[in-house]
Amino acid sequence: QPVLTQPPSSSASPGESARLTCTLSSDISASNYKIYWYQQKPGSPPKYLLYYKSDSDKGQGSGVPSRFSGSKDVSANAGILLISGLQSEDEADYYCMIWPSNVVFGGGTRLTVL
Amino acid sequence: EVQLLESGGGLVQPGGSLRLSCAASGFMFDNYAMTWVRQAPGKGLEWVSAISGLGDSTYYSDSVWGRFTISRDNSRNTVYLQMNSLRVEDTAVYYCARVETAVFGVASFDPWGQGTLVTISS
Repeated sequence: QPVLTQPPSSSASPGESARLTCTLSSDISASNYKIYWYQQKPGSPPKYLLYYKSDSDKGQGSGVPSRFSGSKDVSANAGILLISGLQSEDEADYYCMIWPSNVVFGGGTRLTVL
Repeated sequence: EVQLLESGGGLVQPGGSLRLSCAASGFMFDNYAMTWVRQAPGKGLEWVSAISGLGDSTYYSDSVWGRFTISRDNSRNTVYLQMNSLRVEDTAVYYCARVETAVFGVASFDPWGQGTLVTISS
């Protein structure tokens, strides 16, 4: 079963950008997968943000601001969620997800907006 | 407005059974696969099970295979998760979510319900 590794925590200041990574295990290649991202605030269910496979194959969740975007670092075998113009309400847990055969979630990153 | 409302959670002893329900509204229910995802207290998300829009295909994680059964009643716009032989490690909030395709495949889960808490303890 492939593994997705996310740093447990990250922090950034309001107005700055946050770059959250999701590293795929070496048995699978990030370039082959759509990587989905979800945001979960305390006490709330997860919310779908976006997916990214390539610049020509990506999608944004309904109502999700464009300051949330996805990309990949193929050399690092990782998906990236970039949040620009950080706001206090962006403080949340962020999860990545892929479908190698069945669904796999990363362990999540808690983003703190200082 | 698309809404998903889970129910059926509670406290059960190890080895017991529980049936969760997820009532959907605001969309053409049989046009979408549905899925269950759980979250143990203080932990991350774990995919559990899914069912196609017509209910003719079901999918399970290894951790629940043979113990849980997913089903749906499209006339009632409801998806179910029958959980048998429950273990302490099944303790979690169980979320249902809509899959953005009729066939369970590579797609987003959107939206999610508020979740229902299942506690397995003696």
